[in-house]
Amino acid sequence: KQEVTQIPAALSVPEGENLVLNCSFTDSAIYNLQWFRQDPGKGLTSLLLIQSSQREQTSGRLNASLDKSSGRSTLYIAASQPGDSATYLCAVYSGGGADGLTFGKGTHLIIQP
Amino acid sequence: EAGVAQSPRYKIIEKRQSVAFWCNPISGHATLYWYQQILGQGPKLLIQFQNNGVVDDSQLPKDRFSAERLKGVDSTLKIQPAKLEDSAVYLCASSPLGLAYPDTQYFGPGTRLTVL
Repeated sequence: KQEVTQIPAALSVPEGENLVLNCSFTDSAIYNLQWFRQDPGKGLTSLLLIQSSQREQTSGRLNASLDKSSGRSTLYIAASQPGDSATYLCAVYSGGGADGLTFGKGTHLIIQP
Repeated sequence: EAGVAQSPRYKIIEKRQSVAFWCNPISGHATLYWYQQILGQGPKLLIQFQNNGVVDDSQLPKDRFSAERLKGVDSTLKIQPAKLEDSAVYLCASSPLGLAYPDTQYFGPGTRLTVL
């Protein structure tokens, strides 16, 4: 059974810093990995999706990498802003049905103005 | 483009009562998902529809949960009877294709259910 772990569980940094969020998974046989952000009282917003054959994806100040063999992904946020404050979730799809999609518990990020 | 709509936003019921949630996906999206997110946890996918057919409901507790997607558009998720452990946020999402594709899911705001 796939397990997804996100470290750290919470992070608080001053505005302007670059930061890295980590996601690890136990089974490397995956179709894809996604990073989402969740704001309080709202649903999830997809940030980046990396297919199993890819190494990284970039969108604006966000860069996500995938090392499938080691079961790790990182989300790099450059020049952080207060508006980046949210919970960031990593999700892995391993194929099959609904039980093939596994989310981590998330990293709660606070950017201090 | 209108997003995924869900209602109600909040619901408080007592255990053993029934409750229903409604979802209207983005127009033209073939796939619709229902998730359960317990406080402090990541979402858990309960059921996936492709048009009006169930693709997978392996994680849906079928003794008390049911879901349908009539005419391949709107969907309802029902819980009957509710238990205390059903307290969670129920999220609906839609996407053009499905899980196995490089496909973005679009989420609604969720319904926060409290069972007393």
